Amino acid sequence: DTGVSQDPRHKITKRGQNVTFRCDPISEHNRLYWYRQTLGQGPEFLTYFQNEAQLEKSRLLSDRFSAERPKGSFSTLEIQRTEQGDSAMYLCASSFPRTETSGSYNEQFFGPGTRLTVL
Amino acid sequence: AQKVTQAQTEISVVEKEDVTLDCVYETRDTTYYLFWYKQPPSGELVFLIRRNSFDEQNEISGRYSWNFQKSTSSFNFTITASQVVDSAVYFCALSGDTGANSKLTFGKGITLSVRP
Repeated sequence: DTGVSQDPRHKITKRGQNVTFRCDPISEHNRLYWYRQTLGQGPEFLTYFQNEAQLEKSRLLSDRFSAERPKGSFSTLEIQRTEQGDSAMYLCASSFPRTETSGSYNEQFFGPGTRLTVL
Repeated sequence: AQKVTQAQTEISVVEKEDVTLDCVYETRDTTYYLFWYKQPPSGELVFLIRRNSFDEQNEISGRYSWNFQKSTSSFNFTITASQVVDSAVYFCALSGDTGANSKLTFGKGITLSVRP
């Protein structure tokens, strides 16, 4: 399977605990995005990386959230001191930036998501 | 700021009916991209189509067709002869051209139910 993978698929935790999610992008993709999707809403952008550099963070990403992509391959998203409002689906996507020869740009391919439930 | 509006929230049709999903967008960028994604009950977002702002040619792929009109800032999606397997949530999305603008801005989605 060469698609985007995420682990775990489901996480149930108690309020106040820390959780960490992992995303493995498509191997040749150097851009990686994190989104959050709550029930009945479309995904909302959280942050994105180009290689190992985190280039933008949404205001949705409070200081309890941190994301890393240490070697420009997989990425982790950590939530500290979880709150019930953090319950959501966390989606990871990867893409390959446009080049003069690639002819394609910005199709972001999504993983299956990690569904977080904070009790 | 970019914005995507999907005014329809839920649509229910009987199998074999045609159905159109509406999408209206707002952006100040001159170069931008529009997308449709499908989210079946399993939850994974499936890419359907991308259009860039310079290509208003309509596109047909099997039972799916897309109508992009810059004059009305709309990018509508039609499913012809709908099937039960088309039941899903459909999202329209918008992105800019480069760097930080490459993030996707999604609408709230349209839940399509196709009854046998």
